[in-house]
Amino acid sequence: AQRVTQPEKLLSVFKGAPVELKCNYSYSGSPELFWYVQYSRQRLQLLLRHISRESIKGFTADLNKGETSFHLKKPFAQEEDSAMYYCALKGQGAQKLVFGQGTRLTINP
Amino acid sequence: DAGVIQSPRHEVTEMGQEVTLRCKPISGHNSLFWYRQTMMRGLELLIYFNNNVPIDDSGMPEDRFSAKMPNASFSTLKIQPSEPRDSAVYFCASSLRQGGLGTQYFGPGTRLLVL
Repeated sequence: AQRVTQPEKLLSVFKGAPVELKCNYSYSGSPELFWYVQYSRQRLQLLLRHISRESIKGFTADLNKGETSFHLKKPFAQEEDSAMYYCALKGQGAQKLVFGQGTRLTINP
Repeated sequence: DAGVIQSPRHEVTEMGQEVTLRCKPISGHNSLFWYRQTMMRGLELLIYFNNNVPIDDSGMPEDRFSAKMPNASFSTLKIQPSEPRDSAVYFCASSLRQGGLGTQYFGPGTRLLVL
């Protein structure tokens, strides 16, 4: 079965501090992993996907197949990073996205 | 493009009433998804369509829920009769399916409260 686990419902860090949002998944094949973000009063939007191996708004995420993880990291948090973050998985050749429960990130000034 | 459009944005109804949620996907997209978001269960896929045809409705909770896509630019999610436990935010998303890829773009959601 496909499953995505985000162990932290809430995460609070100070501005300028490093931030890491954890995501672990369960899938027997080669998944495609995503991070979606929802800022206050805005719609859910794609932040990054593992196949792109890009950095968006200073965030990066590396797929670790050995640990079945896809943690989202940023070295220096900014106040505008405060939002709800969802990790999602898509199975090989599939269209369905399976989402984690989400982590609410708050950046304190 | 205005993105995915959903209506209404908020709906308050009484138990037993019929509720219809509407979605207009991004023009040119050929896949459409309906999700439900609750505090307890997070974001769950209810059903999705490719080229207006329902592909997977395994996430539809029960027969009270039905979804249609009569054409490429419109879809509805209907709950009849509604129950308090259906209270949630319902999201519609669309994508352009090309070789298994295709980023899903989400609408603003409909916040449903069933009293």
